[in-house]
Amino acid sequence: DAKTTQPTSMDCAEGRAANLPCNHSTISGNEYVYWYRQIHSQGPQYIIHGLKNNETNEMASLIITEDRKSSTLILPHATLRDTAVYYCIASNNAGNMLTFGGGTRLMVKP
Amino acid sequence: DAGVTQSPTHLIKTRGQQVTLRCSPKSGHDTVSWYQQALGQGPQFIFQYYEEEERQRGNFPDRFSGHQFPNYSSELNVNALLLGDSALYLCASSQLRQGGYEQYFGPGTRLTVT
Repeated sequence: DAKTTQPTSMDCAEGRAANLPCNHSTISGNEYVYWYRQIHSQGPQYIIHGLKNNETNEMASLIITEDRKSSTLILPHATLRDTAVYYCIASNNAGNMLTFGGGTRLMVKP
Repeated sequence: DAGVTQSPTHLIKTRGQQVTLRCSPKSGHDTVSWYQQALGQGPQFIFQYYEEEERQRGNFPDRFSGHQFPNYSSELNVNALLLGDSALYLCASSQLRQGGYEQYFGPGTRLTVT
């Protein structure tokens, strides 16, 4: 699996969009980008995944650059409940092991 | 529809003892993965079970073993507990036959080894 790099922490104002970046410069053509988040003392929660095209679901949007070397997770209207550690994972093993890094600790402030 | 459930919620054991943790996957899921999460770190993959067999294994010693039952539920066994085994143990389920892209995690079992 390709290594991913994320900022250690970020702040966002409640109601504003939260944009979480992820670098995966060594990603290979068949590796997907996954995003999970972990709210304190809970198990990780799947958010979204993508291969090449931008993706959107009820939780977030995933923007992948054309060269696929980086991506951004967008929470369009952050709430206090979005405060969590966000993990970006690159993997070609659909359904297989997930390799979690340190993630980004997002703090949504009132 | 119940999500992934794990038992027990918390557990305290002594060094050298053995422990069994249990996981019931989300309805319709056929694959169970186990992760260990030490305090302040991301989860680390232990192993994955599919069709009652260990399908993939992370970098964990043989003290860590598992089992999957015909109803897809799973157990994680750890023998000869060490202080360093203290962690949150997470179970995740997925539907491998559908690609397994989304893994659903349970709330975890907090194991403390004294």
